[in-house]
Amino acid sequence: TQLLEQSPQFLSIQEGENLTVYCNSSSVFSSLQWYRQEPGEGPVLLVTVVTGGEVKKLKRLTFQFGDARKDSSLHITAAQPGDTGLYLCAGEGNYGQNFVFGPGTRLSVLP
Amino acid sequence: KAGVTQTPRYLIKTRGQQVTLSCSPISGHRSVSWYQQTPGQGLQFLFEYFSETQRNKGNFPGRFSGRQFSNSRSEMNVSTLELGDSALYLCASSFPGTSGTVFGPGTRLTVL
Repeated sequence: TQLLEQSPQFLSIQEGENLTVYCNSSSVFSSLQWYRQEPGEGPVLLVTVVTGGEVKKLKRLTFQFGDARKDSSLHITAAQPGDTGLYLCAGEGNYGQNFVFGPGTRLSVLP
Repeated sequence: KAGVTQTPRYLIKTRGQQVTLSCSPISGHRSVSWYQQTPGQGLQFLFEYFSETQRNKGNFPGRFSGRQFSNSRSEMNVSTLELGDSALYLCASSFPGTSGTVFGPGTRLTVL
């Protein structure tokens, strides 16, 4: 069974600070996705990374896929209150299995 | 472009009852997946349908079932409800061969 771990579980920071959240597994994934979920809503896809070592930037968010495709990180620069939410990573298995989700990192950015 | 629609948004049932949840995917999306989200277990995959056929199934008891219609709309059914079935049930649709998965807002089910 493929499992994903995320750290930290909770993170509370001040507006303007930088942060990094991590997604780790002992399994290899063919691709990995990051989502943000706000209360009462479904997760919203932020990015999909496919190639080992790949780095993608989305405004103040930088996503990296590990060389071995077992881990990923999300770095947010100059966090804003609007970044508050539950950040989920999800890995797609190598044989077309559906996505496995990590438990999430709950981020709170205080003004 | 309309998003993924789930109905109802909120539902309260009692133990032993059954429930049917509905999901309308984005137009053109033929793959529909269902997930259960709870504080303790996180997001867990229930099943995926494509062209009216169940393509993948998660590790849930047979009380959980689903189906997909020819217009790609999907329903999931939970029979003999248990307290532990209280959760947010999420539906996601995607177009084959793409990574553009779109989730609906979910149905919040409370079992009393």
